[in-house]
Amino acid sequence: GQNIDQPTEMTATEGAIVQINCTYQTSGFNGLFWYQQHAGEAPTFLSYNVLDGLEEKGRFSSFLSRSKGYSYLLLKELQMKDSASYLCAVRDGDYKLSFGAGTTVTVRA
Amino acid sequence: DAGITQSPRHKVTETGTPVTLRCHQTENHRYMYWYRQDPGHGLRLIHYSYGVKDTDKGEVSDGYSVSRSKTEDFLLTLESATSSQTSVYFCAISEGVYSNQPQHFGDGTRLSIL
Repeated sequence: GQNIDQPTEMTATEGAIVQINCTYQTSGFNGLFWYQQHAGEAPTFLSYNVLDGLEEKGRFSSFLSRSKGYSYLLLKELQMKDSASYLCAVRDGDYKLSFGAGTTVTVRA
Repeated sequence: DAGITQSPRHKVTETGTPVTLRCHQTENHRYMYWYRQDPGHGLRLIHYSYGVKDTDKGEVSDGYSVSRSKTEDFLLTLESATSSQTSVYFCAISEGVYSNQPQHFGDGTRLSIL
């Protein structure tokens, strides 16, 4: 089966930076996605990496190292509305998505 | 926002009863998926469809069946619901499975089996 690990919880202060790590072991690799999910809501797409390196989208950046089976999502200039669960998902060799259990980020004033 | 509607949004039923959840899309996307989300497990794929009448099993398909008779509708059926199937169910759609085509999710159905 697929194995995708990310921390369960993280807490940070408004205006700070938080880095959410994701490690994976999957049968095949066809891209890595990050989703944001507010409590009681649907996951929403944040970013996609398929090549090694950093992808930047405003306050959010995502990094991938395929040789290490590692990705991170960087959230800068944290705002209260960033309090949510962040899901790492890997598209495997069969082009299906496998999700990590999610990291709950709490932003404190 | 992706045009995805799940119904019902909430349902409470008893063990042993049949339950059908509906996912309706207005995007004309080829791929549709059913996931369940439970604490500590993240999203797990139940079944997916890659076209009308074309479906396949996911990671946790036991106890579930699906049907897709039209591009826009994907139905998930629990033939005889059990308490272990209490969960939040999400439908997702995607235009394709290649490149940077992400899946987009519906608002979910909260199902409680008593």
